[in-house]
Amino acid sequence: NAGVTQTPKFQVLKTGQSMTLQCAQDMNHEYMSWYRQDPGMGLRLIHYSVGAGITDQGEVPNGYNVSRSTTEDFPLRLLSAAPSQTSVYFCASSSSGLKAFFGQGTRLTVV
Amino acid sequence: KNEVEQSPQNLTAQEGEFITINCSYSVGISALHWLQQHPGGGIVSLFMLSSGKKKHGRLIATINIQEKHSSLHITASHPRDSAVYICAVRRLGGHGGSQGNLIFGKGTKLSVKP
Repeated sequence: NAGVTQTPKFQVLKTGQSMTLQCAQDMNHEYMSWYRQDPGMGLRLIHYSVGAGITDQGEVPNGYNVSRSTTEDFPLRLLSAAPSQTSVYFCASSSSGLKAFFGQGTRLTVV
Repeated sequence: KNEVEQSPQNLTAQEGEFITINCSYSVGISALHWLQQHPGGGIVSLFMLSSGKKKHGRLIATINIQEKHSSLHITASHPRDSAVYICAVRRLGGHGGSQGNLIFGKGTKLSVKP
């Protein structure tokens, strides 16, 4: 089925560990974004991309890296996990003038 | 002040009631989205609109660009409508590709009792 595939669904990390959250879409969307969702707050933009090879920082980029080597894939890397990065992460993709599609989310706990 | 404000934050309704959720925003936008997030977390886009009104089943979304306000209505509400409803706007203008980014409200938690 067409859509956004985000993995893993759950992850527990120890402080200082690194990991990559995967995001892939098969709709040829140019826009892809990563958000985090914390209790009492709206989704906040971490990083975004407007096409292959182009990425930029969002509202809360510190501690995260991204790359966009292909239109389909937009992985999010946590370089050295911290408890403040405990959150639910969503990947989203869209094309100009169309609805946004979201991945299923990743619940990350950093201990 | 948040750029996207939703009201109410929480809403409890009886099955069959007509429900309205409001969204006000303070930035120029190219589009407004209404999203639904069920317990368990997945987010689904319900509507994207830039003017007027859209209807899908029992859901109706309206937007007034001049007043920077949108409403989501649910007619004949049902317990399966229980979810968090999120308003998000796509900013107009901005540098580089930032005009493609969404700014989210904090959501309205709806609970429909049988």
